[in-house]
Amino acid sequence: EAGVTQSPTHLIKTRGQQATLRCSPISGHTSVYWYQQALGLGLQFLLWYDEGEERNRGNFPPRFSGRQFPNYSSELNVNALELEDSALYLCASSLGETQYFGPGTRLLVL
Amino acid sequence: TQLLEQSPQFLSIQEGENLTVYCNSSSVFSSLQWYRQEPGEGPVLLVTVVTGGEVKKLKRLTFQFGDARKDSSLHITAAQTGDTGLYLCAGTQGGSEKLVFGKGTKLTVNP
Repeated sequence: EAGVTQSPTHLIKTRGQQATLRCSPISGHTSVYWYQQALGLGLQFLLWYDEGEERNRGNFPPRFSGRQFPNYSSELNVNALELEDSALYLCASSLGETQYFGPGTRLLVL
Repeated sequence: TQLLEQSPQFLSIQEGENLTVYCNSSSVFSSLQWYRQEPGEGPVLLVTVVTGGEVKKLKRLTFQFGDARKDSSLHITAAQTGDTGLYLCAGTQGGSEKLVFGKGTKLTVNP
């Protein structure tokens, strides 16, 4: 069974640009979660989508947004990129309580 | 303020030694999970504990959930170089599915 996949693996942008990150959940999982893992800060919860709806949001500005598609895959969009947005962005999917993580997208903002 | 405090932050030991890492909070969690993350990869789930006082064993790894469901520990017996990685604890509270993570313990097992 394929795990959670994310693309791209690496992304380099400059300040002010927009970034789009993609996530495909494990087949049959309806919930997708996004986390930011910045150096020294640990994993911070960003967004939770379930059945196409945003269910919960972490303490991040509105320029972090996303959506979930009918096939349960998801996109995370970050607008007006700032240097401190440089981090590993992790996606996880679940059917119940256990979350399974993808390998992440490493975003570097120059 | 970090909801889940992990200690120690860094741990470097020799192969064959035993070790314990801790995950503490002043809040109650409905479940607690332990993950291991290797560089450049996502966290991989090791175990989920849901009952206060619960002990789970996974080969050389022993996980314990505190009686009050506020803390947890991970004990590794006879560490191996393959145990090297970042160990993360994460918890859920109430009916929320949002996972709250600790900052992790970076373990290095030297040959």
